[in-house]
Amino acid sequence: GESVGLHLPTLSVQEGDNSIINCAYSNSASDYFIWYKQESGKGPQFIIDIRSNMDKRQGQRVTVLLNKTVKHLSLQIAATQPGDSAVYFCAEIPASGTYKYIFGTGTRLKVLA
Amino acid sequence: EAQVTQNPRYLITVTGKKLTVTCSQNMNHEYMSWYRQDPGLGLRQIYYSMNVEVTDKGDVPEGYKVSRKEKRNFPLILESPSPNQTSLYFCASSPRTGQNTEAFFGQGTRLTVV
Repeated sequence: GESVGLHLPTLSVQEGDNSIINCAYSNSASDYFIWYKQESGKGPQFIIDIRSNMDKRQGQRVTVLLNKTVKHLSLQIAATQPGDSAVYFCAEIPASGTYKYIFGTGTRLKVLA
Repeated sequence: EAQVTQNPRYLITVTGKKLTVTCSQNMNHEYMSWYRQDPGLGLRQIYYSMNVEVTDKGDVPEGYKVSRKEKRNFPLILESPSPNQTSLYFCASSPRTGQNTEAFFGQGTRLTVV
């Protein structure tokens, strides 16, 4: 498969444990955030999103937390599985009037059997 | 199946030889964009389009052109490719103007310019 990024920070997690992936965003005016998953050789896939008027949102096995005070976003994956191995990155969309997604550089998640 | 389709998936070309990477979406999305992905740099926007005949520069537009003659297609054109355009390229679309909506990505095009 293709390497998305050779110099990404890597998080190694034992199968079945919980994973926490962090992202610091840049624009305090951003009002919408997305987490994407990118598997080797594939395009990014949407996981979960959150708006700035929320501080937590839950999906299936995933939870996103937003701390606007410190401009921090986290993705929690419960009971991590081998299929979760991928690069994860966040995207922020600044407030109304712009159409630009700002992407983080990503974190590689490795699930250890 | 709703999807964004890029072609080709892999391309090796020589410096200066014009090329086009096609992108097509079947979701009737208004907003489309092109990104390049390089190690350690994340996704950087090249160009975007808010609707037919409406295009604008992103963060790294130099050396690229785009067109949006119809809603479903958004080709990326490299008039005179150079080795620093060797990268992984992604096309993306979203249903409205890109605000508060997820972007759907194509599978990527790995371009090598020698």
